[in-house]
Amino acid sequence: DGGITQSPKYLFRKEGQNVTLSCEQNLNHDAMYWYRQDPGQGLRLIYYSQIVNDFQKGDIAEGYSVSREKKESFPLTVTSAQKNPTAFYLCASSIGPVRGGYTFGSGTRLTVV
Amino acid sequence: AQKITQTQPGMFVQEKEAVTLDCTYDTSDQSYGLFWYKQPSSGEMIFLIYQGSYDEQNATEGRYSLNFQKARKSANLVISASQLGDSAMYFCAYYRGDMRFGAGTRLTVKP
Repeated sequence: DGGITQSPKYLFRKEGQNVTLSCEQNLNHDAMYWYRQDPGQGLRLIYYSQIVNDFQKGDIAEGYSVSREKKESFPLTVTSAQKNPTAFYLCASSIGPVRGGYTFGSGTRLTVV
Repeated sequence: AQKITQTQPGMFVQEKEAVTLDCTYDTSDQSYGLFWYKQPSSGEMIFLIYQGSYDEQNATEGRYSLNFQKARKSANLVISASQLGDSAMYFCAYYRGDMRFGAGTRLTVKP
């Protein structure tokens, strides 16, 4: 079955460490997105990529980095510069025309310890 | 960035009754899309319904319908015949190039 796989589901990080969240899709979608969700709040856009080897900053890109070397993969690195990284991170993809909406992964819950 | 407003942090509805979740948006664009997503406690985002800005008819998907009033810039979600499994967070989203979300409404269905 096609879909988006995010791993790991739960991630713990020590302060000062970088950590990379994985997002893989086998839907042949061109566009991929990373969102952050804090408790009781909506989703905020971190980065997005419309095509391989290209990506754009969203509303809250500071302290994060991404790469898009393959169509299927869009990993997100949470760097030590991100002051409050504890959150739920969701990856999504879309084929372009979006009547069907985005397809979301199941999310990664990151906790800084 | 466009502002999407959901003014109801929490809503309660009796099982089998209908409920309306409010969503307004601020834009000067003429072409855009509006979405509603459901997020159960497990965290996944489930697509419910879509409305294009040029669609003349309100969208419907089973028990979900979208009350689209373009001049008022509102896109309210109506859930008919609520079920216990409808208890979740509901997010309105605006799309033009990328998708931006409202803060959400937590719906609780009472038996």
